[in-house]
Amino acid sequence: GAVVSQHPSRVICKSGTSVKIECRSLDFQATTMFWYRQFPKQSLMLMATSNEGSKATYEQGVEKDKFLINHASLTLSTLTVTSAHPEDSSFYICSARVTGFGQPQHFGDGTRLSIL
Amino acid sequence: GENVEQHPSTLSVQEGDSAVIKCTYSDSASNYFPWYKQELGKRPQLIIDIRSNVGEKKDQRIAVTLNKTAKHFSLHITETQPEDSAVYFCAPQSGAGSYQLTFGKGTKLSVIP
Repeated sequence: GAVVSQHPSRVICKSGTSVKIECRSLDFQATTMFWYRQFPKQSLMLMATSNEGSKATYEQGVEKDKFLINHASLTLSTLTVTSAHPEDSSFYICSARVTGFGQPQHFGDGTRLSIL
Repeated sequence: GENVEQHPSTLSVQEGDSAVIKCTYSDSASNYFPWYKQELGKRPQLIIDIRSNVGEKKDQRIAVTLNKTAKHFSLHITETQPEDSAVYFCAPQSGAGSYQLTFGKGTKLSVIP
């Protein structure tokens, strides 16, 4: 089955640090990847849609200069949280899908980000 | 954008009983309807999905029914077991563009042994 690998699984760092999270589709090509954020006891909220070879599409209220997304290849998308602050602490999850109608999204294991 | 309502928000059932979770959506162009199960601290796992040309789909103890006219779909779990305890999300997929998912707020299911 389709596998999505996300790294790192856990990050603890000081306020002001920039953190990069990688999302890889291991056995399929993903022209589109998605980045979600999930706060405790809440649902997944879509942050942005990452398209290979073009700029990401951000959801309303998500700062594109703070959450930098790069989708340089058909198997890799990265999310960089720049100058992270405690309020950015959350569970970040990526997903990828095979192109085509009705294809499911496959999720990475998520990254628990804690900013001190 | 898509508006998704999921009910109930919490559900407690005795082991062996059935559980039903309902999801309503607003975008008539939605054409793919998955249900995800998420255990604490883990990624969502697809447990069943249905496409707009089908009304019902079953996989062992799990089934999904779709009423596209009324714009709702439901998850049915029969013979519930303690390991079914988790948070369940519906996430209808938009019918155009990037085919993004819009997640419901989730239902916390507790199966009491």
